Amino acid sequence: QKEVEQNSGPLSVPEGAIASLNCTYSDRGSQSFFWYRQYSGKSPELIMSIYSNGDKEDGRFTAQLNKASQYVSLLIRDSQPSDSATYLCAVGSYSGGGADGLTFGKGTHLIIQP
Amino acid sequence: DAGVTQSPTHLIKTRGQQVTLRCSPKSGHDTVSWYQQALGQGPQFIFQYYEEEERQRGNFPDRFSGHQFPNYSSELNVNALLLGDSALYLCASSLSRGYNEQFFGPGTRLTVL
Repeated sequence: QKEVEQNSGPLSVPEGAIASLNCTYSDRGSQSFFWYRQYSGKSPELIMSIYSNGDKEDGRFTAQLNKASQYVSLLIRDSQPSDSATYLCAVGSYSGGGADGLTFGKGTHLIIQP
Repeated sequence: DAGVTQSPTHLIKTRGQQVTLRCSPKSGHDTVSWYQQALGQGPQFIFQYYEEEERQRGNFPDRFSGHQFPNYSSELNVNALLLGDSALYLCASSLSRGYNEQFFGPGTRLTVL
């Protein structure tokens, strides 16, 4: 059974600070890693993808992957109130010549305090 | 560039009924995955369709079935609805050859009474 674990929060961060979100996964064969943002009542929106060890930066977002530790993180710099949402970590793999369905964590509820 | 679309937006059914949900993938995408998201939980993978066939299935009973059409659009059917089937049903589209980035539609909120 593939599992993805996240701290459900809420994680409260002051505006302008760095928000740090973490995720661990159980399947060592996982090859693709994603962060989705989900506002209340809306569907998940893909904000970051990462496939190899190290850091990947996109604007205020940085994703970090450590396959040896089976650990993925998301850093949000200069946090804004509009960043308040639930952040879902998702993990994928490949089989039968194609990409598999994703396994999601339960999400971390992030609150940015003005 | 049209994104992923789903219909209907909301649906109310009673126990034992059957429901069909529809999804059109993002332009250029050929793979459709369906997920169920219960309140306060992450999405759970139901199944994935590629080349009009079910390519992979998650841990869901046979009451959940699907179909993919030649234009890559897809349907999710749920028979003999249970109260526990109440959830947000999400469709995600992706490219079969690529990095498995999946893009979600707005979802269908199903309520079973």
